[in-house]
Amino acid sequence: NAGVTQTPKFRILKIGQSMTLQCTQDMNHNYMYWYRQDPGMGLKLIYYSVGAGITDKGEVPNGYNVSRSTTEDFPLRLELAAPSQTSVYFCASSLRTVLSGNTIYFGEGSWLTVV
Amino acid sequence: DQQVKQNSPSLSVQEGRISILNCDYTNSMFDYFLWYKKYPAEGPTFLISISSIKDKNEDGRFTVFLNKSAKHLSLHIVPSQPGDSAVYFCAASLISSGSARQLTFGSGTQLTVLP
Repeated sequence: NAGVTQTPKFRILKIGQSMTLQCTQDMNHNYMYWYRQDPGMGLKLIYYSVGAGITDKGEVPNGYNVSRSTTEDFPLRLELAAPSQTSVYFCASSLRTVLSGNTIYFGEGSWLTVV
Repeated sequence: DQQVKQNSPSLSVQEGRISILNCDYTNSMFDYFLWYKKYPAEGPTFLISISSIKDKNEDGRFTVFLNKSAKHLSLHIVPSQPGDSAVYFCAASLISSGSARQLTFGSGTQLTVLP
């Protein structure tokens, strides 16, 4: 009963370092998303993918890269980490586009601090 | 420029009474609205949704009301239970480029149900 799995759960990065947040889902969902949540704010979409090999920018893509080589995996890469990227990151997936019955399922979140 | 606003960061309600959580939006192109519930250290989970062609949707103790002319929706929880204590996010959806629907989230309301 895994659903959407994100790793790592917690990470501290130094300014300028790079890292990859891993995300995998076992529900055979076509759509996958990466969101970030800053304190007191709603979730903001970073990147999304509508299927393997297809990715697109969301609302706040700067400083991030993604790839979707398989249906299951959607890693998020941070290049040259900056303090502004300190946030909680949520990976999510949905079977089809968000409409009645096709809700988004979220992972548990990854807490990232850049110092 | 927040397109989805939840102006009350917190709400406290006595067990058994009604909880009313409010959400306002500015983009008249939004055509689908969702509520998510989030416990600490977990990802958001889908609660209830409503299409813009309806003004009410009910699921057990949860009812969502949509007032399109006022660009306002609300979530009613009756009766409220201590297990309902969580952060509630309002989200709105519209078809973005490439047919993938994106969600725009509000900043959330922390509901505390007092026993």
